[in-house]
Formats: sequence, C-alpha cells, structure tokens
Amino acid sequence: EVQLVESGGGLVQPGGSLRLSCAASGFTFSNYEMNWVRQAPGKGLEWVSYISASGTTIFYADSVKGRFTISRDNAKNSLYLQVNSLRAEDTAVYYCARGYDRLDYWGQGTPVTVSS
Amino acid sequence: EIVMTQSPATLSVSPGERATLSCRARQSVSSNLAWFQQKPGQAPRLLIYSASTRATGIPPRFSGSGSGTEFTLTISSLQSEDFAVYYCQQYNNWPPRITFGPGTKVDIK
Repeated sequence: EVQLVESGGGLVQPGGSLRLSCAASGFTFSNYEMNWVRQAPGKGLEWVSYISASGTTIFYADSVKGRFTISRDNAKNSLYLQVNSLRAEDTAVYYCARGYDRLDYWGQGTPVTVSS
Repeated sequence: EIVMTQSPATLSVSPGERATLSCRARQSVSSNLAWFQQKPGQAPRLLIYSASTRATGIPPRFSGSGSGTEFTLTISSLQSEDFAVYYCQQYNNWPPRITFGPGTKVDIK
C-alpha cells in the first residue's frame, strides 16, 4: 500500500525555520517525481515545489523561491522541504504528493503556523 | 504562470442529479489537466488526469472532457459521498509548473 506521511510542522515565529519531512513507503520512491503542495486555512491548493526522481531538477513557486529548499534522500525513501524566513502568509497545511502528470497519492499533511 | 478559473464557485445539487463543473485555462494546456476531490479535513483525491482518464478506483459516474482551454467534470448521478470541493489542476510539460483552480464547492440542495 502506498503511503506518504508528513511530519515536522508546528508553530514558528515570523522569520523562523522548519524542516518538513515526507516518509514514503509501498512503492519504489526513487522512480517518482515528488511535489509539495500547501493549503492555507479555508483556502485553495497552492503548488510549492517540484523535484525530479533523481533530485537533479528542482522548481519552486515564485512565492517561496529563495526561502524554501526541496530535497530528497532516495536511500531513505524521504522527501524534505526546508522552509526559512517564514511569513504569516506561509501558514498552511503542507502536503507531499507523488508524481507530476498525475498527483495520485498525497499524504495527510503537516500544519505550519507562523505567528508571534 | 497559467491561471485557472472554475465555475460556478458553489453548485447546489440534489442527490441523484447530474452535476457539471467547468474549468478554464487562460492559455492552452493541451490535455494536461487533472481533477481532484477534497472533503473537509482530508487530503485531495485524484479523480481524473489527462483531462479524461479516470484514476484508479474512481467510479464511472465521474467523467472529464475538454482540451486546450475549456474543461468539464461531470458527475452523472450525485451520491451523498460526492458532496465536496473539486479542484482542477494543470501541469505544463516543461518547465514543471502546476497551478490549481480556486475550486467548486458542491453542496446539497
């Protein structure tokens, strides 16, 4: 069974940092592109970042470029998102999602709240 | 960035009725279009990809159509479990960019 389990979210002050993780199981992680998608409270879905299966190709939404860093460790079946210089508008549930032309599996999300 | 719009924002439908949801792209996305369903407190669930291909396990009452800039998700006979928010999503071939529409909430009439 395919599973994606996010962790690492929490309450952080403006300007702070967090490292979000996504543990994958039930499939060959190294074969799949991965994404982070977020959802602010009561709002729609916003794509955040993409990483290719090998980790060599990376893209970011303009809203997070220069502040967020996506990475993966295929040996550990894990995806990461380092989030720095956090702002109130980064408050959201962060989901990892498998694939690109079809985001066919999603984790349950990890909440990030940026507040003083 | 390719902007996606969805209409209507809210659709009130009685169980057993047909629901038709629209999605438009500001520029052509070919058939690079997916539909998701999201219920409160849950992650999105993939329904349709490549504009018209049902994802694994999705019942045939869900169907997608369209190409270019205009797309439609049809739910042929609404069941109680179908009341949710539906998002369309486009994916460029290169460079990788994903954008979602703002969503259509389908609620009980």
